[in-house]
Amino acid sequence: DGGITQSPKYLFRKEGQNVTLSCEQNLNHDAMYWYRQDPGQGLRLIYYSQIVNDFQKGDIAEGYSVSREKKESFPLTVTSAQKNPTAFYLCASSHSKNTIYFGEGSWLTVV
Amino acid sequence: GIQVEQSPPDLILQEGANSTLRCNFSDSVNNLQWFHQNPWGQLINLFYIPSGTKQNGRLSATTVATERYSLLYISSSQTTDSGVYFCAVDPTLYGNNRLAFGKGNQVVVIP
Repeated sequence: DGGITQSPKYLFRKEGQNVTLSCEQNLNHDAMYWYRQDPGQGLRLIYYSQIVNDFQKGDIAEGYSVSREKKESFPLTVTSAQKNPTAFYLCASSHSKNTIYFGEGSWLTVV
Repeated sequence: GIQVEQSPPDLILQEGANSTLRCNFSDSVNNLQWFHQNPWGQLINLFYIPSGTKQNGRLSATTVATERYSLLYISSSQTTDSGVYFCAVDPTLYGNNRLAFGKGNQVVVIP
């Protein structure tokens, strides 16, 4: 099936640990995005990438890192520097300036 | 940055009723998209509508870019229409599909 696959669906992190969320797409889209959603809120942009080996910070990049070594993959690392990482994380992709498609999301909880 | 305001924040509908959701934005945009988030968190793109009117089944959307607003119409609502509706805009300042989201319209359709 074509689409965007995020894993894991649920993840628990201990204080001080780094965790990596996976995002893979087989839609041949150039652009990929990571958003964070907190309860009752809209989505906020963490990082985005318009082309392989290039990415830009979004509105809330502090405490996060990404890489774009392959067109189909855009993993997000939540580092220990992120003070409040418990949230719902959504990956998306698009042809530039076109409809954006989202994965099913990953729930991250700090324990 | 650009401000995106959605109203009403919460809406309860009797099955079969019609409703209108509104999205106001504070600056010029390249495009505007409407999404529906289901109770499991999945975001589905409903419309890519930088201007004009589009219809898809019982849903239709109108964007008046010069007046900086968009409307989403739900006709003959069904319980499956429940969820959160998000408006997202790509500010002209960025022009790379870097979407800014409103906080959403929480819709509950009761049988």
